[in-house]
Amino acid sequence: GQNIDQPTEMTATEGAIVQINCTYQTSGFNGLFWYQQHAGEAPTFLSYNVLDGLEEKGRFSSFLSRSKGYSYLLLKELQMKDSASYLCAVKNSNYQLIWGAGTKLIIKP
Amino acid sequence: GAVVSQHPSWVICKSGTSVKIECRSLDFQATTMFWYRQFPKQSLMLMATSNEGSKATYEQGVEKDKFLINHASLTLSTLTVTSAHPEDSSFYICSVSQGETEAFFGQGTRLTVV
Repeated sequence: GQNIDQPTEMTATEGAIVQINCTYQTSGFNGLFWYQQHAGEAPTFLSYNVLDGLEEKGRFSSFLSRSKGYSYLLLKELQMKDSASYLCAVKNSNYQLIWGAGTKLIIKP
Repeated sequence: GAVVSQHPSWVICKSGTSVKIECRSLDFQATTMFWYRQFPKQSLMLMATSNEGSKATYEQGVEKDKFLINHASLTLSTLTVTSAHPEDSSFYICSVSQGETEAFFGQGTRLTVV
């Protein structure tokens, strides 16, 4: 079967750095996506990785290793507004998006 | 990226009635749209893939007679929850995606059945 695993919940301190991991097993691979979702709102796109390596976008970076079926989202200089759920998703060989259950990130002052 | 508009943002209906949710792709011709449901504190669950001009493809466990999907044009897909019950109360979200691009989401519809 296809599945995506990510931690259920993480806690971090304002101003710090946090890394959210995602491992996947899918039928084929056509890219990995990270989304941010605040409670009661639709997900918003954060990043996209299709080749191995690190993609940096401001305070957020995303890393991919296709051979290991592994990605992480790195958030720097955490702000209270970063408290949200972070969803990892992979497009398989049929271009179907397979979603992880999401990681709830709690930021403490 | 694509702009997706979903309407209504929230709706309250009586048990036994039907509710229609619209999803419009404003600047992107979407041959395929996706409908998701999300219960509180849970992840997105794909309900069905809506295909323009043909029948929708439903995920296992989703009743196609209860959740009617119509994709009559390249810019509009509708989801109708028929004979709604309190257990259908959820957050319904549509999205469009093509090829390797990211999914673009509508704003979501909060349905409450009383």
